Amino acid sequence: AAGVIQSPRHLIKEKRETATLKCYPIPRHDTVYWYQQGPGQDPQFLISFYEKMQSDKGSIPDRFSAQQFSDYHSELNMSSLELGDSALYFCASSPRTSGGHTDTQYFGPGTRLTVL
Amino acid sequence: GQQVMQIPQYQHVQEGEDFTTYCNSSTTLSNIQWYKQRPGGHPVFLIQLVKSGEVKKQKRLTFQFGEAKKNSSLHITATQTTDVGTYFCAGRGAGNNRKLIWGLGTSLAVNP
Repeated sequence: AAGVIQSPRHLIKEKRETATLKCYPIPRHDTVYWYQQGPGQDPQFLISFYEKMQSDKGSIPDRFSAQQFSDYHSELNMSSLELGDSALYFCASSPRTSGGHTDTQYFGPGTRLTVL
Repeated sequence: GQQVMQIPQYQHVQEGEDFTTYCNSSTTLSNIQWYKQRPGGHPVFLIQLVKSGEVKKQKRLTFQFGEAKKNSSLHITATQTTDVGTYFCAGRGAGNNRKLIWGLGTSLAVNP
């Protein structure tokens, strides 16, 4: 079965550089979530999109932005990178249930960002 | 704001022993989900509980949702080395608060 695809899988950047992470949800999933996970921590919700519109916002820094495109893939843009941005970034997707509520999240393999 | 507390943070067991992790929410939940994350892997959805007092089983795993829909537990019978990983609960708020709040996870280590 198709899974969530994230690219790149690993990324090394210098401080103050920018980075773009991409997420391709499972086909027919219309909701995308972005999470940041530090070592030994739970996934911290950043932002989500439903039908190309931002549906919820979590602890996403102002230096970060994201969008969902017409093909439902999403990109997380990160600028002025800081050492503390080093983490695993997960994308998850959800299908719309018959009741219109999305719940179960299917995670991608993650992008490991290292900021030097 | 809504919080989901998960205990214990770590659990170390001998293979064959049982294991339980507990989640408690500060507010009533509409549902609770459980995920497993293997070391170096990504969270994988295990189950969703929706009804008050619901109990669901997946082989050696038993999931419970409390009557008040504020707490939940995951019990593993006779652990195996393949059970190693971090188990997260994630509770979705009820009413107008539909955010999904994650617990901090319980890391399970199993000695063969």
